[in-house]
Amino acid sequence: AQTVTQSQPEMSVQEAETVTLSCTYDTSESDYYLFWYKQPPSRQMILVIRQEAYKQQNATENRFSVNFQKAAKSFSLKISDSQLGDAAMYFCAYRSPAGGTSYGKLTFGQGTILTVHP
Amino acid sequence: DTGVSQNPRHKITKRGQNVTFRCDPISEHNRLYWYRQTLGQGPEFLTYFQNEAQLEKSRLLSDRFSAERPKGSFSTLEIQRTEQGDSAMYLCASSSPSGGTKRGEYFGPGTRLTVL
Repeated sequence: AQTVTQSQPEMSVQEAETVTLSCTYDTSESDYYLFWYKQPPSRQMILVIRQEAYKQQNATENRFSVNFQKAAKSFSLKISDSQLGDAAMYFCAYRSPAGGTSYGKLTFGQGTILTVHP
Repeated sequence: DTGVSQNPRHKITKRGQNVTFRCDPISEHNRLYWYRQTLGQGPEFLTYFQNEAQLEKSRLLSDRFSAERPKGSFSTLEIQRTEQGDSAMYLCASSSPSGGTKRGEYFGPGTRLTVL
């Protein structure tokens, strides 16, 4: 079974600065998908960014980018120019490829609470 | 696209009572997932539907839990004889065949259950 570990329970950053959230995972699969989700205090989960394991290029979405190290099974999220609205719980998640026995369910890490200071 | 909706948003019940939650996915999404999230933790997978078929259930889903998705539209999650350990946020998510695997699901706002 796959596992996802987020070793930073809490992180903080000053507004306009950059912060990196860590995530490691364990899998025996060679093809899979990785995601970062954001859960603001209102608690609706929102997709931030995704990465396909077969792509070597790191995904970027505006101020959000990832550092995907497949051999090390590491998938960190970098938030540039942090804004007050970035404050939330961030979850790293793993998904097996379609067609497997897991039917595409997400396996989440424990989450990292991000605080943004003005 | 009105998003995934869940009702009720909050439910307080006494131990031993039965409760039922409803999830309305995005209309064209044929995949529907239920997750449970306890405070300060990541969501844990409970069950998965493709159309009306329940294709996977987690071992977390004890015999007191049952989920249905009649006609492949909305879904209900029922908990019988609730226990205090059932207190959690119950999240529903949906996705389409083409977008889900690569893009991820759309999540609903959740139903927070408190068992007294």
